[in-house]
Amino acid sequence: DGGITQSPKYLFRKEGQNVTLSCEQNLNHDAMYWYRQDPGQGLRLIYYSQIVNDFQKGDIAEGYSVSREKKESFPLTVTSAQKNPTAFYLCASSIEGAAGYTFGSGTRLTVV
Amino acid sequence: GQQVMQIPQYQHVQEGEDFTTYCNSSTTLSNIQWYKQRPGGHPVFLIQLVKSGEVKKQKRLTFQFGEAKKNSSLHITATQTTDVGTYFCAGNNQGGKLIFGQGTELSVKP
Repeated sequence: DGGITQSPKYLFRKEGQNVTLSCEQNLNHDAMYWYRQDPGQGLRLIYYSQIVNDFQKGDIAEGYSVSREKKESFPLTVTSAQKNPTAFYLCASSIEGAAGYTFGSGTRLTVV
Repeated sequence: GQQVMQIPQYQHVQEGEDFTTYCNSSTTLSNIQWYKQRPGGHPVFLIQLVKSGEVKKQKRLTFQFGEAKKNSSLHITATQTTDVGTYFCAGNNQGGKLIFGQGTELSVKP
């Protein structure tokens, strides 16, 4: 079955460490997105990519970095510069001409 | 920047009661999407509305897009415990970027 896989589901890191969240899709979707979800704030866009080797900053890109070397993969690195990294991170993908985003099951990151 | 506001933030209903969540955008939208996120889960796409004044139904769920394409609503008739979750609207602006509302968390008491 096609879908988006995010791993791991739960991640714990010490403050000051960089951490990379994985997102892989086998839907053949061109566009991929990273959202951050905090209680009561909905989903906020971190980065998005509409094509391989290209990506754009979203509304809250500071302290994050991404790469898009393959169509299937869009990893997100949470750097030590991100002041409040503890959150639920959601990866999504979409394809032009089809409505709606497909979301992965998310990674819950806790920084202590 | 563009904002999408959603109210209420929380709604508690008795099973069998109706439920409505409202979504308002500061700018005209090219389309609006609705998602449902079950507790502990991820958002799942429900529907997209494109035309001014459009109304779509999915069983007990009715979705509306305003005439000015700046607001939308989701109405659930006779809620069931399976309706529990957070409902998000998401507006697509002319630039093609999807902006999510804050969501309405629905709880249903059996």
